[in-house]
Amino acid sequence: NAGVTQTPKFRILKIGQSMTLQCTQDMNHNYMYWYRQDPGMGLKLIYYSVGAGITDKGEVPNGYNVSRSTTEDFPLRLELAAPSQTSVYFCASSSQKNQPQHFGDGTRLSIL
Amino acid sequence: AQSVTQLDSQVPVFEEAPVELRCNYSSSVSVYLFWYVQYPNQGLQLLLKYLSGSTLVKGINGFEAEFNKSQTSFHLRKPSVHISDTAEYFCVVRGDTDKLIFGTGTRLQVFP
Repeated sequence: NAGVTQTPKFRILKIGQSMTLQCTQDMNHNYMYWYRQDPGMGLKLIYYSVGAGITDKGEVPNGYNVSRSTTEDFPLRLELAAPSQTSVYFCASSSQKNQPQHFGDGTRLSIL
Repeated sequence: AQSVTQLDSQVPVFEEAPVELRCNYSSSVSVYLFWYVQYPNQGLQLLLKYLSGSTLVKGINGFEAEFNKSQTSFHLRKPSVHISDTAEYFCVVRGDTDKLIFGTGTRLQVFP
C-alpha cells in the first residue's frame, strides 16, 4: 500500500525561485492537508482541502498556493521562495474529519 | 481556541523503565485527542486516539493514554520502553473545526 506519497524528498532552491511540492494518495480520502515542521515546533497547517475543488487556508498560508483538481492529488506551490520557507513539509490525508490523518514521509526544502 | 501543551521537550529514560509523556490541552468544546510518533526522517504515525467512550485508550507498540477531562490532560504511558521507542512524540487535539492543533513535541531518548 502506497498511502501518501510526497515528491521530491529533498530540494534546494535559490531565493525567488518557484517550485511545486507534489502529494498524492491512493486511499480515496476526501480530506488532504499540508503542514510545515520547523525545529522544536509542532506542525503548522498551511492549507487543507475537504474534497476535489475545495481548498481553505490554515494557520500559515502566506507565500503558498494549492489546488485540488482530483481526489488523489494536492500539490503545494511556492511562487517566490524565501529563506523563511526553509522547512520540512508534510502532506496528510484522512477519510473523514474525525478520523486520524495519514502522513507522507516529508519533503525537506532549503532556500538559500 | 484550542491549544496543546507538551510539558517536557525531552525525556531521557533507560531501556525497560516506564515512561510518561505529559500533555495538557485547552478547549471550550468537546475534543478529539491523538498521539502521533515520528521516527527520524519519517512522517508521523498514529499511536492512539480518543474520540469518545472509555477514557483509557490503548494504542500500538504497548502505549496507552488516559483522557482526564477534569484535568484537561491526555498523558501517554508505556510500562517498559525499548530502544526502538526513541522518537519524537506529538500530542494533537481537534476541536470544533476541521483542523488539528499539534503540540511542540517531546523527544523520547531511550538509553541501553
